[in-house]
Amino acid sequence: EAQVTQNPRYLITVTGKKLTVTCSQNMNHEYMSWYRQDPGLGLRQIYYSMNVEVTDKGDVPEGYKVSRKEKRNFPLILESPSPNQTSLYFCASSGRTGRAGETQYFGPGTRLLVL
Amino acid sequence: AQSVAQPEDQVNVAEGNPLTVKCTYSVSGNPYLFWYVQYPNRGLQFLLKYITGDNLVKGSYGFEAEFNKSQTSFHLKKPSALVSDSALYFCAVRDVTTDSWGKLQFGAGTQVVVTP
Repeated sequence: EAQVTQNPRYLITVTGKKLTVTCSQNMNHEYMSWYRQDPGLGLRQIYYSMNVEVTDKGDVPEGYKVSRKEKRNFPLILESPSPNQTSLYFCASSGRTGRAGETQYFGPGTRLLVL
Repeated sequence: AQSVAQPEDQVNVAEGNPLTVKCTYSVSGNPYLFWYVQYPNRGLQFLLKYITGDNLVKGSYGFEAEFNKSQTSFHLKKPSALVSDSALYFCAVRDVTTDSWGKLQFGAGTQVVVTP
C-alpha cells in the first residue's frame, strides 16, 4: 500500500531533550516536506526537500533540522525542544520534481507535547 | 507571495442540504489550487485540484469546486451533505510562477459540521 508513515504518533517530552520524528514514504517520491498544524493557523511549512541531499527552509524553520540522506526518509529533528513547538506535525511527499501540480500525500501526523 | 483565505471558521449544515466551503486566494501569477480534508485523528486527504482547463473540478466523495479567476475564488461544494462529511477542510494554493514552487500555502481551515 502506498503511504507515508510517521513515528512516533504521540510524544511527550521535556524542554531541551533532543528528539527525532521519522518520516518514510514508499512511493519513490522526490519531494518531501514537513508541516506543523496549529489551531487557527492551518498548516505551515517547516522544511522541504526536492531530492536526496537537497533541503530548504519553509515558513517556520527556526528550532528544527532535517536531513535527506535517502530518498524514502526525511526525519525532523528538534535539537532542543521548547514549549512553543508543541504542535501536530505532518510529513508529506509528492513525485516528479518540477511539476507544481503534483498532489502531496500526507502521513497520519505526530502530536508533540513539550513540557 | 501567495496567500489563501478561508473566511469561515465553521460551517453548519443539515444532512441532505448543499454544502459550500469558501476559499479565496492571492498569487502573482497563475494559481494551482487544492482542497484537502482532515478527519479526526487522521492526516490530510486529497480531495481535488485545479491546474488548468475546465473551471469546474470534480473530486472524491462527491465534492466539486469551481475556479473563478475574476473573483480569485475556489469554493468547495457538495450538492447533498452527509453526516460523514463532518471534518476540517483546507484550501491550498501554489504560485507556479515563482522559482520555489515547492511551497504549498494552506488556509487556516474550515470546520464542517453536518447534523442529522
